[in-house]
Amino acid sequence: AQTVTQSQPEMSVQEAETVTLSCTYDTSESDYYLFWYKQPPSRQMILVIRQEAYKQQNATENRFSVNFQKAAKSFSLKISDSQLGDAAMYFCAYRSAPYSGGSNYKLTFGKGTLLTVNP
Amino acid sequence: DTAVSQTPKYLVTQMGNDKSIKCEQNLGHDTMYWYKQDSKKFLKIMFSYNNKELIINETVPNRFSPKSPDKAHLNLHINSLELGDSAVYFCASSPRLAGLETQYFGPGTRLLVL
Repeated sequence: AQTVTQSQPEMSVQEAETVTLSCTYDTSESDYYLFWYKQPPSRQMILVIRQEAYKQQNATENRFSVNFQKAAKSFSLKISDSQLGDAAMYFCAYRSAPYSGGSNYKLTFGKGTLLTVNP
Repeated sequence: DTAVSQTPKYLVTQMGNDKSIKCEQNLGHDTMYWYKQDSKKFLKIMFSYNNKELIINETVPNRFSPKSPDKAHLNLHINSLELGDSAVYFCASSPRLAGLETQYFGPGTRLLVL
């Protein structure tokens, strides 16, 4: 079974600075998808960024980018120019790709990292 | 328009009661999910339905029974509620079962069992 580990329960960053949230995962599959979700105090789960494992190029969405290291099974999220609205719980998630041999296509989440943004 | 809606948003009830949470999506998606988020914020899948067919059942007690009357709805019925059932329950949907498409989450239902 796949597992997702977020080793930083909490992180803090100064407004306008850069912060990196770490995520590692364990899998025997060769193709899969990785996601970062954000959960602000409103509890709504919001997709931040996603990455296909067979694409070597790191995904980028505005101020959010990932550092995907497939061999190391690492998928960190970098937030540049942090804003107060970035304060939230961030979850890393894994999903098997079709025909990867996975038994199903559920999202497996890490335990989350609580990000605080200081003004 | 709300993409994935859940009712109620809050539910406070006594141990032993039976309760239901409703979920509806207006996105035309084929696949719907129920997740449980515990007090430590850990989010774990419970069920997944694809075109009204149960696909994933993650060792959830059989007191929990999902029902999908149509593709747009996935309701969760819980019998004989226990203290440990207190959590936030999220419904989600995605265009199809497998793929890179994101799952769209509802706002969550906070269940408190007293």
